Amino acid sequence: QSALTQPPSASGSPGQSVTISCTGTSSDVGGYNYVSWYQQHPGKAPKLMIYEVTKRPSGVPDRFSGSKSGNTASLTVSGLQAEDEADYYCYSYAGSNNFVFGTGTKVTVL
Amino acid sequence: EVQLVESGGGSVQPGGSLRLSCAASGFSFSTYWMSWVRQAPGKGLEWVANIKQDGSEKYYVDSVKGRFTISRDNAKNSLYLQMNRLRAEDTAVYYCTRHLYGSHDYWGKGTLLTVSS
Repeated sequence: QSALTQPPSASGSPGQSVTISCTGTSSDVGGYNYVSWYQQHPGKAPKLMIYEVTKRPSGVPDRFSGSKSGNTASLTVSGLQAEDEADYYCYSYAGSNNFVFGTGTKVTVL
Repeated sequence: EVQLVESGGGSVQPGGSLRLSCAASGFSFSTYWMSWVRQAPGKGLEWVANIKQDGSEKYYVDSVKGRFTISRDNAKNSLYLQMNRLRAEDTAVYYCTRHLYGSHDYWGKGTLLTVSS
């Protein structure tokens, strides 16, 4: 199972929006609504930010939103803040009880 | 408060074995799927294995099939990962996670495994 494709980096100024893509195939991202997104700060464990494509866990700011179109899922961070600078990973069910992460995107707040 | 605390990491030679443990608290452990996720130094995340609530179903990433075994003891609120025939490419931080709705909603802090001669 190949990793989902994410851009290596993304950036934006405080207050702006940044969108990260996660491209897979019809066998994973496109085939199921089990896409989630994780934020990871250096040296820390990842944190769940979005699950089932669009849902936010309790405590996650509504500045974080998820969507999906075809084989590509996206995470949008609106009103970018300094603490949003981190690595972000997507994750998808890939059928036959397999799961796959994305390659990861480093978000920089300029 | 949900807590997942991994232990058992360390340094091992190629071909060796090690067992990781994860102590869970703050939730009804026996009612959740559980998982292991790993991250090689400076690299991305990789799903390793899942186990059903009663241990009756277990699934693995292809690269560890036949070498790693996930298990759980619901009476002890504990998750395990037995790792045999270890390779250098297994070197990583191993995270214990709770698996819900196709996502990992809680993570431990991780335990580092180094496979080197």
